[in-house]
Amino acid sequence: EADIYQTPRYLVIGTGKKITLECSQTMGHDKMYWYQQDPGMELHLIHYSYGVNSTEKGDLSSESTVSRIRTEHFPLTLESARPSHTSQYLCASSEGVWTTQYFGPGTRLLVL
Amino acid sequence: GENVEQHPSTLSVQEGDSAVIKCTYSDSASNYFPWYKQELGKRPQLIIDIRSNVGEKKDQRIAVTLNKTAKHFSLHITETQPEDSAVYFCAATRRSLQGAQKLVFGQGTRLTINP
Repeated sequence: EADIYQTPRYLVIGTGKKITLECSQTMGHDKMYWYQQDPGMELHLIHYSYGVNSTEKGDLSSESTVSRIRTEHFPLTLESARPSHTSQYLCASSEGVWTTQYFGPGTRLLVL
Repeated sequence: GENVEQHPSTLSVQEGDSAVIKCTYSDSASNYFPWYKQELGKRPQLIIDIRSNVGEKKDQRIAVTLNKTAKHFSLHITETQPEDSAVYFCAATRRSLQGAQKLVFGQGTRLTINP
């Protein structure tokens, strides 16, 4: 079934650890996005990609990095996690800018 | 920067009444305006969208209106039901410094339908 997947769904990790949040979509979309959202609060765009080897930073400054080596895969990496990184991270994809963005289930990150 | 402002932040209405959520944008080049609904613990989902060449669009109990001159658009929900309780986000396209179009989301409105 065509969908967008995120792993892990929940992650508790200590300060200073390196983490990678995985995002994959099977819809063949060129455009993919990462948002940071505290529960029920504003969606902050932190990274986006319009195709393979194309990535840009979003509006919210983030210490994370992303890569887009394959169309279906858009991982987000934090080199050194801090408590301020505690949040929910939502991945999304779309066929075009003026079309529906499909969101993944999210990863809830807690940094101790 | 170019923002999307959304009001109110919280809205409580009686079941059966109407709810209206308003958004304003600042980029005159914005041309696509979607609305997303996020239920508690769930992912955001598109409920309706409108393009700049249309002034109004309706889908059963929900409708969106767009005033390009005033740079504002609104979501209208009629005959509200308990399952309409959720956080609603508006969004508008905006061109980045690199020239790419992207969506900017409003701050969200927490809608509560009282039985």
